[in-house]
Amino acid sequence: DVKVTQSSRYLVKRTGEKVFLECVQDMDHENMFWYRQDPGLGLRLIYFSYDVKMKEKGDIPEGYSVSREKKERFSLILESASTNQTSMYLCASSLYGGSDTQYFGPGTRLTVL
Amino acid sequence: ILNVEQSPQSLHVQEGDSTNFTCSFPSSNFYALHWYRWETAKSPEALFVMTLNGDEKKKGRISATLNTKEGYSYLYIKGSQPEDSATYLCASSGNTGKLIFGQGTTLQVKP
Repeated sequence: DVKVTQSSRYLVKRTGEKVFLECVQDMDHENMFWYRQDPGLGLRLIYFSYDVKMKEKGDIPEGYSVSREKKERFSLILESASTNQTSMYLCASSLYGGSDTQYFGPGTRLTVL
Repeated sequence: ILNVEQSPQSLHVQEGDSTNFTCSFPSSNFYALHWYRWETAKSPEALFVMTLNGDEKKKGRISATLNTKEGYSYLYIKGSQPEDSATYLCASSGNTGKLIFGQGTTLQVKP
């Protein structure tokens, strides 16, 4: 079974802090994705990566950056957290492109005070 | 339709009822339509991926159909059970390599 893990289930940070959300997948998938989920809006793509050191902006990249130094790990970075970044963050991976089935982690609920 | 839209937003049914939801998506540049089930405190789980017009997929009491020409998919649950309570997400992919998700339909099945 594919396993996607995220470093924290719940996280509370203060405005202005730098925040790292880590995601690890164990199935040698090429593609990894970061989404945020807000009530009534569905999952929105922040960034994705097709390969190590490759990254592409999604639909809402502002205020975020990513890092993929190893194939199995994809990190989401909030350079200076703000209250409007309070959300549920989901990581996913897929073997091939975005049209392939994506496997999700359990999510990190981030609260920025 | 520029976005992926799901209806209804939420649904409450009694155990044993059959139910269905709708997903509307842009029919141009269509590549695949995905359905996921997201139970509380768990990861979203893939149910179906469909690519061909007229596709029908089935998994136990859950089935889905696809109409790519008019841009919609239906998800059916026959004889709903409390364990079917979840948010059901659909997502469409075009040739961009990304999934565009709808806002989800939250199903509550009362015993």
